[in-house]
Amino acid sequence: EVQLVESGGGLVQPGGSLRLSCAASGFTFSSYSMNWVRQAPGKGLEWVSYISSSSSTIYYADSVKGRFTISRDNAKNSLYLQMNSLRDEDTAVYYCARDDRTVIDYWGQGTLVTVSS
Amino acid sequence: EIVMTQSPATLSVSPGERATLSCRASQSVSSNLAWYQQKPGQAPRLLIYGASTRATGIPARFSGSGSGTEFTLTISSLQSEDFAVYYCQQYNNWPPAWTFGQGTKVEIK
Repeated sequence: EVQLVESGGGLVQPGGSLRLSCAASGFTFSSYSMNWVRQAPGKGLEWVSYISSSSSTIYYADSVKGRFTISRDNAKNSLYLQMNSLRDEDTAVYYCARDDRTVIDYWGQGTLVTVSS
Repeated sequence: EIVMTQSPATLSVSPGERATLSCRASQSVSSNLAWYQQKPGQAPRLLIYGASTRATGIPARFSGSGSGTEFTLTISSLQSEDFAVYYCQQYNNWPPAWTFGQGTKVEIK
């Protein structure tokens, strides 16, 4: 069974930093690209970032480019999102999501990031 | 950016009835369109990809159609567990700048 478990969310002040983690199991993590997708409270879904299986290809949404960094450790079956210079509008549930040939097919349960003073 | 527009925002349907949800893209996305179901407090679940292919384990009452800019998700006979928010998402462009519709909430009439 595919499992994706996010952690690392919490309350942070504007301008602060946070690192999210996603632990993957139930599939060969190193064979799949991965994404982060977020959802602001009561709002819709927004794609945030993509990383290929070997980390050779990385993309970001314009809204986070230059502030967020996606990475992965295939030996640890883990995905990460380093978030710097956080803004109020970054407040959201952040989902780790598996990518199967560009289709996002499995999602974790999410971790809540709240940016507030 | 490709803008995805879903209609209606809310759909009130009685159990056992058919529900038809629409999704329109601001430019052609070919058949690179997925549908997701999200229940309160839960992660989205993939229902349909390639505009019309059901994901693993998805009941046959869910069907998708369309290509280009106009897409439809049909739930043939609504069950109690189907009341949720449904999102469409295009994955046509590369590099990825994948976009989601704003969602359609299917509620009990």
